[in-house]
Amino acid sequence: NAGVTQTPKFQVLKTGQSMTLQCAQDMNHEYMSWYRQDPGMGLRLIHYSVGAGITDQGEVPNGYNVSRSTTEDFPLRLLSAAPSQTSVYFCASSYSGSGTGELFFGEGSRLTVL
Amino acid sequence: AQSVTQLGSHVSVSEGALVLLRCNYSSSVPPYLFWYVQYPNQGLQLLLKYTSAATLVKGINGFEAEFKKSETSFHLTKPSAHMSDAAEYFCASCSGNTPLVFGKGTRLSVIA
Repeated sequence: NAGVTQTPKFQVLKTGQSMTLQCAQDMNHEYMSWYRQDPGMGLRLIHYSVGAGITDQGEVPNGYNVSRSTTEDFPLRLLSAAPSQTSVYFCASSYSGSGTGELFFGEGSRLTVL
Repeated sequence: AQSVTQLGSHVSVSEGALVLLRCNYSSSVPPYLFWYVQYPNQGLQLLLKYTSAATLVKGINGFEAEFKKSETSFHLTKPSAHMSDAAEYFCASCSGNTPLVFGKGTRLSVIA
């Protein structure tokens, strides 16, 4: 059972480039979310989804887009990367539609923007 | 809006000593409360969860936490620290349909 799979694990971008962080889960979870982790800041919610076709903004959504066309996948798009987006990104999913159940995390994607 | 405050960004204990990691929450409705642990270069994994069934919650690896409504606290404890407990610990909260909000984390060091 793969759980939550994130790709790529590492990525270096130049300012202004775009890219997509992929997230897939095989647990049939309705709830999926993206967090970024920065030193001393904990985890901050970027976007989340309570089901296919439904997405909403979290605490720090600017500069990021998401879509949820299937239950399994929840990609995070950076349209024009900035150095402030250098971070470790985590995708997480939950069986609970409101996110009140246990969150299952991927192993993270470390992004550096030069 | 919900918030979670973890007191102490870094806690250091000797092997065999009591571990106490502090967490306070603010919520206008009864919260769900969680403790997660993150080992180096890994994602987070659930240690324990409070959902109003019992105020003392037991988790994995000998950890437990007590929900105290009067103090708005959910401190994490372990009677005897092991070297393998060295990690970063996050307290988190949500209520109703709100997404999970995390504290800033506490790094636990265990000294031999």
